[in-house]
Amino acid sequence: GQNIDQPTEMTATEGAIVQINCTYQTSGFNGLFWYQQHAGEAPTFLSYNVLDGLEEKGRFSSFLSRSKGYSYLLLKELQMKDSASYLCALGGATNKLIFGTGTLLAVQP
Amino acid sequence: EADIYQTPRYLVIGTGKKITLECSQTMGHDKMYWYQQDPGMELHLIHYSYGVNSTEKGDLSSESTVSRIRTEHFPLTLESARPSHTSQYLCASSEPGSRNEQFFGPGTRLTVL
Repeated sequence: GQNIDQPTEMTATEGAIVQINCTYQTSGFNGLFWYQQHAGEAPTFLSYNVLDGLEEKGRFSSFLSRSKGYSYLLLKELQMKDSASYLCALGGATNKLIFGTGTLLAVQP
Repeated sequence: EADIYQTPRYLVIGTGKKITLECSQTMGHDKMYWYQQDPGMELHLIHYSYGVNSTEKGDLSSESTVSRIRTEHFPLTLESARPSHTSQYLCASSEPGSRNEQFFGPGTRLTVL
């Protein structure tokens, strides 16, 4: 099976940097996704890691370590509009995504 | 930008009614998915399809049914709605290949009274 753990909630200040962690236990997967979901809206794709290391995309970066069963999403120069849930998901050979419970990020002025 | 549509966006309906939630995509994706999500909770896969005439049940048991007669269309039906079906239903599709990035529709928020 696949267990995915994320902190339930986090709070950060506008302009700061925040790191959202995701740990997982799985027998195998193709890649790890991060999605952003604003309240009442659909998830939107942020990043994808298939190899170990850091993927940078503007203010957002994502890191994966397969040996440690660990990923994180790094958000820089936080803006109020970054207040949302951030979902970690594993993509497997079955063509399905398994989502974590998500981390609700509140950005304060 | 992804082109995946869901209707209705909001639906309030009485117990016992039959409802169909529509999902269409114009990207030609073979793989399509239905998720159920309660407020503040994780997404649960309830149905998926790998192509026309292919449908499978997901990880969360659901009383709904789906059909896939056309590539672009993946409707979800509840024969007799109950208050326990109140939830948000999200449709998604994905490109061919191992990456399987999924594009989500805007969702249907269903309330059964």
